[in-house]
This record gives sequence, C-alpha cells and structure tokens, in this order.
Amino acid sequence: SQTIHQWPATLVQPVGSPLSLECTVEGTSNPNLYWYRQAAGRGLQLLFYSVGIGQISSEVPQNLSASRPQDRQFILSSKKLLLSDSGFYLCAWNRQGIYGYTFGSGTRLTVV
Amino acid sequence: LAKTTQPISMDSYEGQEVNITCSHNNIATNDYITWYQQFPSQGPRFIIQGYKTKVTNEVASLFIPADRKSSTLSLPRVSLSDTAVYYCLFLNNAGNMLTFGGGTRLMVKP
Repeated sequence: SQTIHQWPATLVQPVGSPLSLECTVEGTSNPNLYWYRQAAGRGLQLLFYSVGIGQISSEVPQNLSASRPQDRQFILSSKKLLLSDSGFYLCAWNRQGIYGYTFGSGTRLTVV
Repeated sequence: LAKTTQPISMDSYEGQEVNITCSHNNIATNDYITWYQQFPSQGPRFIIQGYKTKVTNEVASLFIPADRKSSTLSLPRVSLSDTAVYYCLFLNNAGNMLTFGGGTRLMVKP
C-alpha cells in the first residue's frame, strides 16, 4: 500500500534561518506531489506541485522554493524565514487522472 | 480554476443528518466534485467523489443535480467525532491541482 511520510511534525525557527521540510512517498512510482500551506483557521493554499523529477511549478510567488531530487521525494525550502511563513505545511500526492489526494500528517512551523 | 462557495460554519446535534451544500457555477465538463474532511492539525482526508446524480459510500452520500452547479454532502446521523472542516473542490484529468476554498466548519453538539 502507498504511504506518505512528512517530517518534522513541529518546528520552531527564528526569523532569518533556513528551512527544509521533507516529504517522501512509498509504494508508488511517478506520483504527482504537492506542497500546501494552511494559516491558522484558514483554508489550504497550494504552494508548489511537481509531476516528475526536477519539474516544479509554483502557484504563489514567495519566500519559499521546492525541489524534487528523486521520484518520490519532495522538499520545501527557504533560505531566510519570515514571520509570515508560519503555518501548517502539508505534503500530498496522487496519480495522474481523477484520483484524490492523500495528505501527509503535516508540519507545524512557527517562526519566532 | 472553478471556484466553490460553501457556508462558513454549521452547527448540528448528535444523531442528526447534516447536509452541506457547495455552489460551483462555473464547473467544467471534465471536473469531478470531491469532498474532504479535515480535523485540527491533520491533513485533509478524502470522503467522497462524484460526477453527477448520487454517490454513496460507507461514510456519506453526495447529491449532484443535473446542471452540476451545486452539490450536497450528506452525513447521516452525525456524532461528536464528525466535528471538522469539510471542503468541496474539483478534480479533473487536466492538471490535478486541487484548490481548496475556506471549507465549512461543522460543529456537532451533544
């Protein structure tokens, strides 16, 4: 069966520090991968999606970047965090077609 | 991308049936309607998906009228554990980028 792993679960980082969140998928190949962010009490905002290795599309210009170094690995990064980067970050995957998403357990990021 | 409109919040009591309606006037021909449930500090979880008429699974039912400009998620006999945010959105073959709206915050009271 397919599983999605996301870590860390929680993270507290000072303003100006770098960020690296990792997401991996098991049990499938060539998944579509996504990063979402959710501010407190708000809906989910799509940040990045990837349909293959090295293929990254950005939905919202911001202080973040994403990379896909391997087929089932998706990384969200920042060189210098801002206070506004605080939020709940979710990784998700699906197969091409009308297949629903499976979300990871999320990372709660607090920038102080 | 097509936009959805849902009530911001709803209250219900245990044992009642809850119907959450979503409006989507500009749904495309190849869009499927999908509903997700999200508990606090967890990722959204797939509930049900449909294209037209009625779909039922062990968790919920989804009613879609012929014009497909709206859809209604029906939760039979809710319990306290159904308190969550429910999102209505679209999924299609051409670029599966799910766009989440604000969702409906359902509060089930004892």
